[in-house]
Amino acid sequence: EVHLVESGGGLVQPGGSLRLSCAASGFIFSSSEMNWVRQAPGKGLEWVSYISESGTAIYYADSVRGRFTISRDNAKNSLYLQMNSLRAEDTAVYYCAEGWFGSWGQGTLVTVSS
Amino acid sequence: QSVLTQPPSASGTPGQRVTISCSGSNSNIGDNVVYWYQQLPGTAPKLLISMNNQRPSGVPDRFSGSKSGTSASLAISGLRSEDEADYYCAVWDDSLSGRVFGGGTKLTVL
Repeated sequence: EVHLVESGGGLVQPGGSLRLSCAASGFIFSSSEMNWVRQAPGKGLEWVSYISESGTAIYYADSVRGRFTISRDNAKNSLYLQMNSLRAEDTAVYYCAEGWFGSWGQGTLVTVSS
Repeated sequence: QSVLTQPPSASGTPGQRVTISCSGSNSNIGDNVVYWYQQLPGTAPKLLISMNNQRPSGVPDRFSGSKSGTSASLAISGLRSEDEADYYCAVWDDSLSGRVFGGGTKLTVL
């Protein structure tokens, strides 16, 4: 059974940084595309970033490009999201999701506020 | 403001058939496959339909997807109270070089 567990969320001041992690198990992580998706309180889903199986292909939403960096460590079955220059509008639950969002974690809340 | 347009709300009574639309353009729905997701209150989303009309294992055949041109639809037949949820479409957008979600549709079972 696919299991994805996000961690690293919390309260951070505007302009600050945070690194999210996603621990994967129950499937061949190194053969799976991965994504980060976020959902602001009371709002819809927003795709944030994609990384290919080997990490050679990476894409970002316009709203985070230049501030966020997605990466993965296939040896550790882990996905990461480095978030810099955080803004209030980045406040959301951040999910990691496999493939075409076939499996999701439970999410981790990021709150950007002074 | 998403490049994929969904009605913000939909409703139906138990047993009815309801459809939820997802309207896009040639750079997204017109050129790529569509996916649908169900998000029950307080939970993570769940994949409902992949590649326009394929149901993953475990998804009831009451749920079906279709695509025509630059629009897609999710149909739910035999509506049940447990279908009350938010529904999202998603697709790759060639112009944005990224994946996009529709704004979501809140389905109410009356």
